[in-house]
Amino acid sequence: DTGVSQDPRHKITKRGQNVTFRCDPISEHNRLYWYRQTLGQGPEFLTYFQNEAQLEKSRLLSDRFSAERPKGSFSTLEIQRTEQGDSAMYLCASSLDRKDSPLHFGNGTRLTVT
Amino acid sequence: KQEVTQIPAALSVPEGENLVLNCSFTDSAIYNLQWFRQDPGKGLTSLLLIQSSQREQTSGRLNASLDKSSGRSTLYIAASQPGDSATYLCAVVLCGEGWETSGSRLTFGEGTQLTVNP
Repeated sequence: DTGVSQDPRHKITKRGQNVTFRCDPISEHNRLYWYRQTLGQGPEFLTYFQNEAQLEKSRLLSDRFSAERPKGSFSTLEIQRTEQGDSAMYLCASSLDRKDSPLHFGNGTRLTVT
Repeated sequence: KQEVTQIPAALSVPEGENLVLNCSFTDSAIYNLQWFRQDPGKGLTSLLLIQSSQREQTSGRLNASLDKSSGRSTLYIAASQPGDSATYLCAVVLCGEGWETSGSRLTFGEGTQLTVNP
């Protein structure tokens, strides 16, 4: 068990460019979550997958954002036409399919849009 | 809408002191409450998870309590050490969110930034 891993750790991009982040959850975890965190704030929920099915999306997830988990293992989060307001830490978490299963977070991808 | 509040926003204590961090939430219909630790520039580390039917959980020098009826949780840290310096976040999972479709969708507080001085 190597924990939740995210790639890249940091991404600097110019406004208008597309970016894609990857998350590899803990292998036996069938639930995967994306959160966004800005400086001094707690993380905010973006979207949730159970296996390959995307079951919920927050209203924070505009149509420029898309997430996939094609084989029920790793997940990608893509942001199209990035804006400066997209600058944040993007956190991935995974858990078992049990109500008493805590979420395990990765170290996040820090996005800076210039 | 569930709101989670953490007090104080920042806390600085000398090494060895016992301390309490507070978390309050507006909707008491929760599945569970989790406490996390976050080091600068890093992800979150789960510390303790308290189910709605439980009143407290303990791990080492950490003890978390839950009073669902009053919408409060506390994290007690005994004999604090400089290595405890971090931001501590609490988060809740609401019953109304629909477990089957929302999984463990957490609503977070803004955190308490703790500094333990040697």
